[in-house]
Amino acid sequence: DIQVTQSPSSLSASVGDRVTITCRASQDISTWLGWHQQRPEKGPKSLIYATSSLQDGVPSRFSGSGSGTTFNLTISSLQPEDFATYYCLQYKTSPPAFGQGTKVEIK
Amino acid sequence: EVQLVQSGAEVKKPGESLKISCKGFGYTFTSYWIAWVRQMPGKGLEWMGVRYPADSDTRYNPSFRGQVTISADKSINTVYLQWSSLKASDTGMYYCARVNTFGQSYGWGIDYWGQGTLVTVSS
Repeated sequence: DIQVTQSPSSLSASVGDRVTITCRASQDISTWLGWHQQRPEKGPKSLIYATSSLQDGVPSRFSGSGSGTTFNLTISSLQPEDFATYYCLQYKTSPPAFGQGTKVEIK
Repeated sequence: EVQLVQSGAEVKKPGESLKISCKGFGYTFTSYWIAWVRQMPGKGLEWMGVRYPADSDTRYNPSFRGQVTISADKSINTVYLQWSSLKASDTGMYYCARVNTFGQSYGWGIDYWGQGTLVTVSS
């Protein structure tokens, strides 16, 4: 099975900061990676698919990059509503695997 | 608008059975796989398995095979997650999600999530 390692597990940042979260896959998954946001006490929401394609309605301050085994989610200017936990998901092979999550907290 | 609406919170005792549901709206239900994802208290997301509502095709994560059963009733656009004998360790939030290949020939991506069903198992 392909495993995904996400880092950091948490970070503190201020409104307006640029934030980057990284996922590393145990094998080459090309661009079969998505990112999901989970706000406190809420269900997850899909942000990005195929590494870099934004879901409809997702603000352009979110971007994704990478291929193969290393992937990044970047928030260019952190907004109050972005404080949440972010999960990557490799979906090339079965079973798909989530990263462990990155909690983005207010500094 | 695509929506996945899940059944309400459940409180059960160890050894009891349970079936929770996920109903799809706003799209052709039989054209997309539905996944179930577990989130234990304070923990991350775990892929449990998927079901194709149009037929009986079901794929389980080996970690969950034999622990749960995923079924569907396409006539009412609903997929189910079922336990025959609950354990305290089954306590958690369970999400259904719509699977999307995003234009590729295969893949198990997620584009929409249900609101979650909280399952509490306690004596």
